[in-house]
Amino acid sequence: QQQVKQSPQSLIVQKGGISIINCAYENTAFDYFPWYQQFPGKGPALLIAIRPDVSEKKEGRFTISFNKSAKQFSLHIMDSQPGDSATYFCAASITRGAGSYQLTFGKGTKLSVIP
Amino acid sequence: EPEVTQTPSHQVTQMGQEVILRCVPISNHLYFYWYRQILGQKVEFLVSFYNNEISEKSEIFDDQFSVERPDGSNFTLKIRSTKLEDSAMYFCASNEGGGNQPQHFGDGTRLSIL
Repeated sequence: QQQVKQSPQSLIVQKGGISIINCAYENTAFDYFPWYQQFPGKGPALLIAIRPDVSEKKEGRFTISFNKSAKQFSLHIMDSQPGDSATYFCAASITRGAGSYQLTFGKGTKLSVIP
Repeated sequence: EPEVTQTPSHQVTQMGQEVILRCVPISNHLYFYWYRQILGQKVEFLVSFYNNEISEKSEIFDDQFSVERPDGSNFTLKIRSTKLEDSAMYFCASNEGGGNQPQHFGDGTRLSIL
């Protein structure tokens, strides 16, 4: 019930292409869905986040698409660059507007963007 | 940009020994967390901490674990009597108050139990 399933496990994309990573969840109480980017030797860094009252959020080349009825959300990276090569984690949380909340992470997707 | 700082970056400890992992959260943040990531697996929540008390803890956070804010800047995770399966990357995170502020993570401490 608390799981977040992420796919694919790894992804290779040509420079300039679109990278798409998908996540699915079961718990309809989740109300906050962030994506984190992690480079080797570094901690996860927040990339973009969405709440279930909107279906899409765009920040630069990064877009989250959210399908509440299907309980799925995805990250699209447009014009992928070699510098985007990293591991991407989706996450979900029940926040209820509180300051403290626990993140449930997906297993991660290792993205490699080749020149 | 303010950062969450964790020390040491790598800790090697004999099984059965106690270990303390240290974190300095971002200065104006009020909520503090520990997560762990076993090699090749997903990041897992351990505990959240606010106003000098544990807010939530996971099943992983059993009696061998404890957290403390010993002063105005540090936040520590203590593991008593470490086990081989405690080997993992431990991440500290923090966020502001005021509802749903994003969690900012440190670069982690790699804990190796021999």
